Amino acid sequence: DGGITQSPKYLFRKEGQNVTLSCEQNLNHDAMYWYRQDPGQGLRLIYYSQIVNDFQKGDIAEGYSVSREKKESFPLTVTSAQKNPTAFYLCASSGVGGSEQFFGPGTRLTVL
Amino acid sequence: ELKVEQNPLFLSMQEGKNYTIYCNYSTTSDRLYWYRQDPGKSLESLFVLLSNGAVKQEGRLMASLDTKARLSTLHITAAVHDLSATYFCAARPHNNAGNMLTFGGGTRLMVKP
Repeated sequence: DGGITQSPKYLFRKEGQNVTLSCEQNLNHDAMYWYRQDPGQGLRLIYYSQIVNDFQKGDIAEGYSVSREKKESFPLTVTSAQKNPTAFYLCASSGVGGSEQFFGPGTRLTVL
Repeated sequence: ELKVEQNPLFLSMQEGKNYTIYCNYSTTSDRLYWYRQDPGKSLESLFVLLSNGAVKQEGRLMASLDTKARLSTLHITAAVHDLSATYFCAARPHNNAGNMLTFGGGTRLMVKP
């Protein structure tokens, strides 16, 4: 089945730790995105990538980093510089030409 | 900068009633999306609206787009409990090669028996 997977589903981070959230897609999509969702709020774009080895900052990139070494994978690292990382993180992908975005199941990150 | 506003933010309605959710956006957009999110879950795509006057319907939900008014609506007909969820609209700025979307704040819909 084609789709987007994210892992882990739940993640707990101690203060000062870096953590990496995984996002994999087998839809052969070129573009991938990371969003953050806070409780009761909409989605805010963290980073996006249109092609392998290239990515761009979104609206709230500070404290986050990404890589795009493979078309299928777009991991997000939440660094210790992100002061308030507790949120629900959603990964999405879309095909060529700006088509519809499809979303993964999400990772819920909690800072202890 | 594209801004997207939805209203109402929260909607409680009785089963069988009709209601409309509004989505206004601030600058020219060439694509408008509606998504559904159940609590603790991801976003599910409902509709993609590509041109002025576009109307799409699926079951009890109907979405429309007026690009001149920069307004999209999601109309709910004869609501049922299963429609309880949060609904988001998202707009793509015109000529945006990166396909970045700007999301509204969401409308939390509760349908009561």
